[in-house]
Amino acid sequence: DADVTQTPRNRITKTGKRIMLECSQTKGHDRMYWYRQDPGLGLRLIYYSFDVKDINKGEISDGYSVSRQAQAKFSLSLESAIPNQTALYFCATSDSGPDNEQFFGPGTRLTVL
Amino acid sequence: KNQVEQSPQSLIILEGKNCTLQCNYTVSPFSNLRWYKQDTGRGPVSLTIMTFSENTKSNGRYTATLDADTKQSSLHITASQLSDSASYICVVRALTGANNLFFGTGTRLTVIP
Repeated sequence: DADVTQTPRNRITKTGKRIMLECSQTKGHDRMYWYRQDPGLGLRLIYYSFDVKDINKGEISDGYSVSRQAQAKFSLSLESAIPNQTALYFCATSDSGPDNEQFFGPGTRLTVL
Repeated sequence: KNQVEQSPQSLIILEGKNCTLQCNYTVSPFSNLRWYKQDTGRGPVSLTIMTFSENTKSNGRYTATLDADTKQSSLHITASQLSDSASYICVVRALTGANNLFFGTGTRLTVIP
């Protein structure tokens, strides 16, 4: 079984709809992250959480919200989706050690029409 | 400003040939640098990590170098294979700051038969 899973893997929605992307991990890591990836822009951090009671905004948090339901679960919501939120979304986890290797999920391809 | 720049943006090589990807950074204070490989439709996976005291590190046919004085790293791929076709992302971690990872935009490598 994959260590970091994301659901759904693909989603097409319309402008104005509420969307939730979910992430689960079995690595036992405390830290979880949400990124979006756009062609030519690379990975950009949306939100991150260092433990269940900790939520922090990343580089591009406007239009997004998150919930850390448990150590293993971190969900990303788009309250009212807009077309420029069309992108590939990745969840990642890491431990708190100095190496800080990020373990990424398989990604969710979101299209907002 | 902390930045990570990769070159070239894309590269096409023949199977069996060698290639070198470049990463220049301005991140300071420096902690470590990772190279990730991202296959199409998948999340990035770490290939190697370089710390301040390391100049060269190999992982099979992949060899990473680091020059901390000039703030440059390279990833050399020897005897390329079709499976090496992927994006390669350079990520630099700063010593300080909660949000301390800086991502390059990646190099898209295509290996053709």
